[in-house]
Amino acid sequence: IQLTQSPSFLSASVGDRVTITCRAGQDVSTYLAWYQQKPLKAPKLLIYAASTLQSGVPSRFSGSGSGTEFTLTISCLQPEDFATYFCQQVRSYPLTFGGGTKVEIK
Amino acid sequence: QLQLQESGPRLVRPAETLSLTCTVSGGSISSSPYYWEWVRQLPGKGLEWIGAIYYTGDTYYNPSLKSRVDISVDTSKNQFSLKLDSVTAADTAVYYCARLEGMTTATTSRYYAFWGQGILVPVSS
Repeated sequence: IQLTQSPSFLSASVGDRVTITCRAGQDVSTYLAWYQQKPLKAPKLLIYAASTLQSGVPSRFSGSGSGTEFTLTISCLQPEDFATYFCQQVRSYPLTFGGGTKVEIK
Repeated sequence: QLQLQESGPRLVRPAETLSLTCTVSGGSISSSPYYWEWVRQLPGKGLEWIGAIYYTGDTYYNPSLKSRVDISVDTSKNQFSLKLDSVTAADTAVYYCARLEGMTTATTSRYYAFWGQGILVPVSS
């Protein structure tokens, strides 16, 4: 199942509201997770089941969507949020990831 | 706290076999309902799912790699392993192992909460 993320690159300022989109090539219901990755680190789980916030993740992160269109929103961008974000469909094997969205400081 | 640690050679020659092991500590690899997975990241690129194994030996592979990949599990050592045959420079990547929650049931709560730190494996002569 192909996942298409947009944009692939995003320049934003601290305090901005940021939205990242992930589109699936077929219906994945809410079998979708979001991860944050910083340089030289393993990805970190942010959201699962499309909208459930992982324990310990700040509430400024939120996820929504079902079927083929999903969004990850950061309501008020913080300095530690500058990173790359990936979506992943977990509906069925083979699992697939989106191409990633790099969020950089404007 | 569950921990995963990748290990293996730090350089592989073209046409040889890349072999990595993931050692699990702080929990049993035989406990359900977890799948144990391999993911890689090519330099400067996104994440690519390689394959998965259940403690019973049930496996799933990425179709694009299936002809070259073998994933196995050793429950006595609490480890699972990856073998990738006939490697080329295009297989140079950071290889991660991870635990997938929830895949054995109909739950939508499926995710990787635990990852290894990753191991960079260059393929070069």
